[in-house]
Amino acid sequence: AQSVTQPDIHITVSEGASLELRCNYSYGATPYLFWYVQSPGQGLQLLLKYFSGDTLVQGIKGFEAEFKRSQSSFNLRKPSVHWSDAAEYFCAVGARYGNKLVFGAGTILRVKS
Amino acid sequence: NAGVTQTPKFQVLKTGQSMTLQCAQDMNHEYMSWYRQDPGMGLRLIHYSVGAGITDQGEVPNGYNVSRSTTEDFPLRLLSAAPSQTSVYFCASRPAPRTGIEQFFGPGTRLTVL
Repeated sequence: AQSVTQPDIHITVSEGASLELRCNYSYGATPYLFWYVQSPGQGLQLLLKYFSGDTLVQGIKGFEAEFKRSQSSFNLRKPSVHWSDAAEYFCAVGARYGNKLVFGAGTILRVKS
Repeated sequence: NAGVTQTPKFQVLKTGQSMTLQCAQDMNHEYMSWYRQDPGMGLRLIHYSVGAGITDQGEVPNGYNVSRSTTEDFPLRLLSAAPSQTSVYFCASRPAPRTGIEQFFGPGTRLTVL
């Protein structure tokens, strides 16, 4: 069965501190992996995506993620968090020839000053 | 490019009422989808389409209908609203696999069923 697990429902970090959001997936085919961010009352914005090549991918807003096939993980990182990064973050997995994205339950990031 | 647009932004219905959520995209994408978002559950696929005239069910299709008469539009119909359909609904589109894999999301419609 296809599934995405985001183990942390809430994470609080201090402004300027580093951030890592965890994502583990279970997927039968070659996974296409995504991280989306959602600010309150807004739609979803794509941060980054991975489907092949270099396992460390760079995204927008200074985010990066590393694909580890052996661990079925695709963790999101940022070296220094800004207050504007406070939002909910979703990891998702899909296939090239398909319309369905399977989403994790999301991680709510709080940034304290 | 407006991208993916959805109307209305907010809607309140009474149990048993019907309504249509509108979705349009101007990117000439072949694939379109409807998701619902509920707290603690992420987004779940309701229905999707891989081209005009072609639709299929997703993970949670019960109580919803779709049609795709044009490439641009993909309306979602609630046949007889129930409180369990209170949710935020997102429409998404993506290009055919030969040209891209990213899904683009609309701003969402927040629906409350009383």
